[in-house]
Amino acid sequence: GENVEQHPSTLSVQEGDSAVIKCTYSDSASNYFPWYKQELGKRPQLIIDIRSNVGEKKDQRIAVTLNKTAKHFSLHITETQPEDSAVYFCGTYNQGGKLIFGQGTELSVKP
Amino acid sequence: GAVVSQHPSRVICKSGTSVKIECRSLDFQATTMFWYRQFPKQSLMLMATSNEGSKATYEQGVEKDKFLINHASLTLSTLTVTSAHPEDSSFYICSARHPTGGTTEAFFGQGTRLTVV
Repeated sequence: GENVEQHPSTLSVQEGDSAVIKCTYSDSASNYFPWYKQELGKRPQLIIDIRSNVGEKKDQRIAVTLNKTAKHFSLHITETQPEDSAVYFCGTYNQGGKLIFGQGTELSVKP
Repeated sequence: GAVVSQHPSRVICKSGTSVKIECRSLDFQATTMFWYRQFPKQSLMLMATSNEGSKATYEQGVEKDKFLINHASLTLSTLTVTSAHPEDSSFYICSARHPTGGTTEAFFGQGTRLTVV
């Protein structure tokens, strides 16, 4: 079945620096790749997503890039702020239409 | 965006008792809902797929007799943790997919923090 590998598991950056989180998927048929932000004890919130027909998508300080050939996609956060501190999950849908998550990355932005 | 509401947000129960968690889609109909479990500092692990009007399908390793799922209407799915034990203590969260702006986005309930004592 579909498998999603996410790295790193933890990431600490200084405020204002950039943060990059990478995910690799196994099913070449996957065509939709969301990224979620989860604060402690709360529900995951979609922050950006990308479809397989584009290579990059940007929304203000957040961008996602997709390399279909290599089967990996990355989340880029620029000008990080303390409020960006959270756990980030990548995801993709398997052939059964089920959303599968990566292992998560705990991002800490130090002021 | 679409709203998924989950209740209760927190519950403490004694070992051996059962706990029911409700998941509602408030402004759309969801023929399919998904139940996840999340242990501290871990990812969300899919437990089962809840199908309106038919049996739920469970992921490998999830006991269907322990985690009873009922999807009796297009807006409500329930998860019952039967004969709960301390190792069932976890964060349970449901989701439903809803078409949004040309794609199908997954919306999540608030989650339920279950503590079994």
